[in-house]
Amino acid sequence: ETGVTQSPTHLIKTRGQQVTLRCSSQSGHNTVSWYQQALGQGPQFIFQYYREEENGRGNFPPRFSGLQFPNYSSELNVNALELDDSALYLCASSYLAGGPNTQYFGPGTRLTVL
Amino acid sequence: AQTVTQSQPEMSVQEAETVTLSCTYDTSESDYYLFWYKQPPSRQMILVIRQEAYKQQNATENRFSVNFQKAAKSFSLKISDSQLGDAAMYFCAYRSARSSYKLIFGSGTRLLVRP
Repeated sequence: ETGVTQSPTHLIKTRGQQVTLRCSSQSGHNTVSWYQQALGQGPQFIFQYYREEENGRGNFPPRFSGLQFPNYSSELNVNALELDDSALYLCASSYLAGGPNTQYFGPGTRLTVL
Repeated sequence: AQTVTQSQPEMSVQEAETVTLSCTYDTSESDYYLFWYKQPPSRQMILVIRQEAYKQQNATENRFSVNFQKAAKSFSLKISDSQLGDAAMYFCAYRSARSSYKLIFGSGTRLLVRP
């Protein structure tokens, strides 16, 4: 069974640029959620994708957008990067059904905005 | 809105001893799920244990167990026979049964294990 993978591991961008982060879900999972974890804090929910559509969104501006592909992998896109976007971005996959829908996390992408 | 509070920024335990990490949460809902995740320096969030609110029995996974007090909205994690590999950040998380997506995390507790 393949776990959740994310790429790239690290990324450095400058303010105003755009970035795309990628996530491959665990085999058998159909849902991908994205979280932002600032240094020293707990993760904050950005959004979730299920069946290629956004299934819920946290308190993040529209410049944070995403996609889910037929193979359930996902992308997180951030436009017009700001210094405060520097964080660890975590992807989590789950199987959407009744019950706990436990989310399993990838290793994260560390984004630094200069 | 639901909130999760971890009031212990850092805890320390001697190897082979037992430690308890605290977590409280605020919700008006009766059906929900609670989780403890471990985040070592490698950054990957690893599921430690989960608890369904409708279950009265406390969850146990090997050396890890929880004390779930629904009325008090408390969900503590007990680690027995602590090992050096247990050193990490520990996050408590809540998910409403009405929402399939959003995990709400606490601010975390850093666990140090002394050899």
